[in-house]
Amino acid sequence: EAQVTQNPRYLITVTGKKLTVTCSQNMNHEYMSWYRQDPGLGLRQIYYSMNVEVTDKGDVPEGYKVSRKEKRNFPLILESPSPNQTSLYFCASSFIDRSAVGGTNVLTFGAGSRLTVL
Amino acid sequence: SQQGEEDPQALSIQEGENATMNCSYKTSINNLQWYRQNSGRGLVHLILIRSNEREKHSGRLRVTLDTSKKSSSLLITASRAADTASYFCATGGFKTIFGAGTRLFVKA
Repeated sequence: EAQVTQNPRYLITVTGKKLTVTCSQNMNHEYMSWYRQDPGLGLRQIYYSMNVEVTDKGDVPEGYKVSRKEKRNFPLILESPSPNQTSLYFCASSFIDRSAVGGTNVLTFGAGSRLTVL
Repeated sequence: SQQGEEDPQALSIQEGENATMNCSYKTSINNLQWYRQNSGRGLVHLILIRSNEREKHSGRLRVTLDTSKKSSSLLITASRAADTASYFCATGGFKTIFGAGTRLFVKA
């Protein structure tokens, strides 16, 4: 089954304790992206990647790191989590449509990872 | 910054009625997409409309796009209780930007 898999689905941690949220897709998508969702704010993009070793900042990258060493994986790293990073996180992936300027992409989302930082 | 803004923020209707949600955006676009999210779950893509299209249909969904007004609407006809969800518009391509969403509640 074509899917985006995130782990963990739920995590409670403490301020400053490094954590990684993994994301893996089995659709051979070039493009992957991370979002956080907070009440009343919709989804805000953290980082995205257009291919292996190619990453770029989204709207809210502060406090996060990413890497794209393999095409299928795009982990989100919180080096020193803080309570304001308590949120619902989504990973998504898609093919890049090179026939359209700006790379039209229809995103496939993971089920989400709910993170609480105390 | 949020480019897509949905209106209304919340909508409650009876089963069988039509639901209309609106989205406004600020900059020029190549396409606009609509997504659906059931409570706390991942978003599911519904429909994509390109900047050179004015209207698009998919089953009970009808999407319009007015690039001169920088707005789009999503119409769900003959709504069902299972349509209860949040609906988001999205623009931006690689830097996809989502609005805050419209919460739709369909009463059986």
